[in-house]
Amino acid sequence: EAGVVQSPRYKIIEKKQPVAFWCNPISGHNTLYWYLQNLGQGPELLIRYENEEAVDDSQLPKDRFSAERLKGVDSTLKIQPAELGDSAVYLCASSLKDHEQYFGPGTRLTVT
Amino acid sequence: SQELEQSPQSLIVQEGKNLTINCTSSKTLYGLYWYKQKYGEGLIFLMMLQKGGEEKSHEKITAKLDEKKQQSSLHITASQPSHAGTYLCGATPYSSASKIIFGSGTRLSIRP
Repeated sequence: EAGVVQSPRYKIIEKKQPVAFWCNPISGHNTLYWYLQNLGQGPELLIRYENEEAVDDSQLPKDRFSAERLKGVDSTLKIQPAELGDSAVYLCASSLKDHEQYFGPGTRLTVT
Repeated sequence: SQELEQSPQSLIVQEGKNLTINCTSSKTLYGLYWYKQKYGEGLIFLMMLQKGGEEKSHEKITAKLDEKKQQSSLHITASQPSHAGTYLCGATPYSSASKIIFGSGTRLSIRP
């Protein structure tokens, strides 16, 4: 069975530019998560979806970050405009409701 | 808010030796997860503990949750190079079984 797929794996952009990350969860997993992981730290939740509904986006900086999961499967996380401090690894995870989460390989973003 | 402290922050162990990593919560947990992460990759699910006093094992890795559900330990027996990586504990509060709050991780190196 395929795991959580993320693309791109790496992205380098200049500050003030937009960037988007894509995630395809494990088939049948209705819960999808986006995390931010800074170097040497554990992941921090940005947003959680139950099917197509964002049920927890309290940690998402809504002035520049947006996310969507239109058909309750794939999801896109966008940053516009990117700032230097956004350099981090963006992880996507999926799960059945209230079960263990399975993580993708992440997208490493570098903002210059 | 829930806070998790992991100790030690980093660990270098001779191959074949045993080791223990600890995770302490400021509040009683609903559930406690252990994940492993290799550099540049996503998190790999190891185990989940929910009941006070619970203990689970997988191959040479054993995780325990204390009776008060505020402290967990991860023990590796006869360490191997494949055990190297960062071990992260994550906790779910009673208020949300789907929201994992992660510790900062313990970086494990195995010396041949």
